[in-house]
Amino acid sequence: GAVVSQHPSRVICKSGTSVKIECRSLDFQATTMFWYRQFPKQSLMLMATSNEGSKATYEQGVEKDKFLINHASLTLSTLTVTSAHPEDSSFYICSATGEYKRNTEAFFGQGTRLTVV
Amino acid sequence: AQKITQTQPGMFVQEKEAVTLDCTYDTSDPSYGLFWYKQPSSGEMIFLIYQGSYDQQNATEGRYSLNFQKARKSANLVISASQLGDSAMYFCAMRESYSGNTPLVFGKGTRLSVIA
Repeated sequence: GAVVSQHPSRVICKSGTSVKIECRSLDFQATTMFWYRQFPKQSLMLMATSNEGSKATYEQGVEKDKFLINHASLTLSTLTVTSAHPEDSSFYICSATGEYKRNTEAFFGQGTRLTVV
Repeated sequence: AQKITQTQPGMFVQEKEAVTLDCTYDTSDPSYGLFWYKQPSSGEMIFLIYQGSYDQQNATEGRYSLNFQKARKSANLVISASQLGDSAMYFCAMRESYSGNTPLVFGKGTRLSVIA
């Protein structure tokens, strides 16, 4: 299957600082990327959908100014958590799909565990 | 309304036994896909099996099979010959429409514990 690489896998940051998470498709062109958030013992909740070269579409209740998503190329999307607070501590995971990928597939990164102290 | 419902927060199964994890879904789209993922404590999402809404036969992948009952809108995962390494969270997910550009919607998950 296709490979999606997410970095970093773990990050600890101080409250008030910003953190950038990268999601790369290594062997295909990712026209669309999805960002999910998973709180402990809960399910994955979609935060936003980003299409290459256009603005991301955020789900209801997700602050676009706090969670900045950039999808400037067909192989890279970034999620920046701005002015992070302890309540932003969570597991963030990206998923990518490409123009020629079958709808039967969904490729996930390894996830990023963010801890804000 | 919940699009994916997993009613079993936790399940226990004896090693080498079979186990069924329940999943029901809700959609009015005639074209959809159903996925099962395994999530170990590391957090990675491991794809297990896929069933398309127009697929005539139940999907199978090794020890995993999907009991697809379209009229009941259920897509239960059956794991045969459970192994200790199967202990993990299991998520059922749905993609409405057949477009790969549509996100997956996940259920709340079932934590499976395999007992030796």
